[in-house]
Amino acid sequence: GEDVEQSLFLSVREGDSSVINCTYTDSSSTYLYWYKQEPGAGLQLLTYIFSNMDMKQDQRLTVLLNKKDKHLSLRIADTQTGDSAIYFCAESIGGGFKTIFGAGTRLFVKA
Amino acid sequence: NAGVTQTPKFQVLKTGQSMTLQCAQDMNHNSMYWYRQDPGMGLRLIYYSASEGTTDKGEVPNGYNVSRLNKREFSLRLESAAPSQTSVYFCASDPSYQETQYFGPGTRLLVL
Repeated sequence: GEDVEQSLFLSVREGDSSVINCTYTDSSSTYLYWYKQEPGAGLQLLTYIFSNMDMKQDQRLTVLLNKKDKHLSLRIADTQTGDSAIYFCAESIGGGFKTIFGAGTRLFVKA
Repeated sequence: NAGVTQTPKFQVLKTGQSMTLQCAQDMNHNSMYWYRQDPGMGLRLIYYSASEGTTDKGEVPNGYNVSRLNKREFSLRLESAAPSQTSVYFCASDPSYQETQYFGPGTRLLVL
């Protein structure tokens, strides 16, 4: 069945790079997403990548997609305390209105 | 633009009570969704509406009903609340076909 897995916690020091990893199972994914959720708020789309791309860069964010291994990663350069949040990986399954979300990775940034 | 708004923000219910969660979007989006978020789990889709006038079940529809009142509004109803429905409920919308979903701030529901 469809599943998206990610580690639950990541702790980094301010100024370091953060890398959040995700694996998915459905090879028919059309889009893959990274969402950010701050405490008490809804999910906010950070970035997304089409399934036919390998990499996407957007300011401090770099998304890498390895379709062969069904692995998606989000790199945040120069991580700041304001980046502390839960980050959700998600995939959109082609052919239907269906997005599968991972359980979220809670990023702690230490000053 | 307010984006996606949800009411109420918090609610406490007793087992067996009913309530309706409201959601509205002002972005002229065609598709709208209801998710629930539970600790340690990703969002799970309850119901969605691909376009005005249509609704379909998602992954966890049991115990819920929805109404797509018009293009802007999509409500979620719990007819007889159960403690297992304690969760945070998110409404989302997108222009079409899941390109980018925009989320509301959530409704925190506690069923005693």
